[in-house]
Amino acid sequence: AQSVTQLGSHVSVSEGALVLLRCNYSSSVPPYLFWYVQYPNQGLQLLLKYTSAATLVKGINGFEAEFKKSETSFHLTKPSAHMSDAAEYFCAVSYTGGFKTIFGAGTRLFVKA
Amino acid sequence: GAGVSQSPSNKVTEKGKDVELRCDPISGHTALYWYRQSLGQGLEFLIYFQGNSAPDKSGLPSDRFSAERTGGSVSTLTIQRTQQEDSAVYLCASSGGTGGQPQHFGDGTRLSIL
Repeated sequence: AQSVTQLGSHVSVSEGALVLLRCNYSSSVPPYLFWYVQYPNQGLQLLLKYTSAATLVKGINGFEAEFKKSETSFHLTKPSAHMSDAAEYFCAVSYTGGFKTIFGAGTRLFVKA
Repeated sequence: GAGVSQSPSNKVTEKGKDVELRCDPISGHTALYWYRQSLGQGLEFLIYFQGNSAPDKSGLPSDRFSAERTGGSVSTLTIQRTQQEDSAVYLCASSGGTGGQPQHFGDGTRLSIL
């Protein structure tokens, strides 16, 4: 069965600092992995996805994530946080040929001036 | 509109009543998903429709929950005999692909059961 664990329900960084949001997955078959973002008062949107091509995936707004099979991780990073990055971020997993996408509990990112 | 549209945006009802939630996916999208987001929790998969195929209902929490998709477009999620634990935000998403992930989410329906 597939599952996703996001470490830290809340993460706070200073503007300009590195953003690191952690995600570990469990999957018995090769996974597809995703990060979604939900800005305040907006709907969820897809930030980036991994589908077994390059292990380093680049998304919108300067975010990227690296698939590490040995660590079963898919952490989201951004070199320099901006105030506009404050949002809730969800990691998700599905599997090759499958349709049920399982979401983590989410991590709320706060950016301090 | 260009995005996924859900109605109503908010629904307050009494315990025991039935409710219907509506989702208009992006035109031409063949895949449609329903999720539930409870306070402080992640998104819980409910049901998935893909074209004319039989839907994946494996996430529906009880037989009080049902969903249909008419003409491969609009979908309705029905909750019968609502309970307080049904209170949540119900999210609909659509995708133009044939599998994997929902791409475009609606703003959700916030359901409150008194």
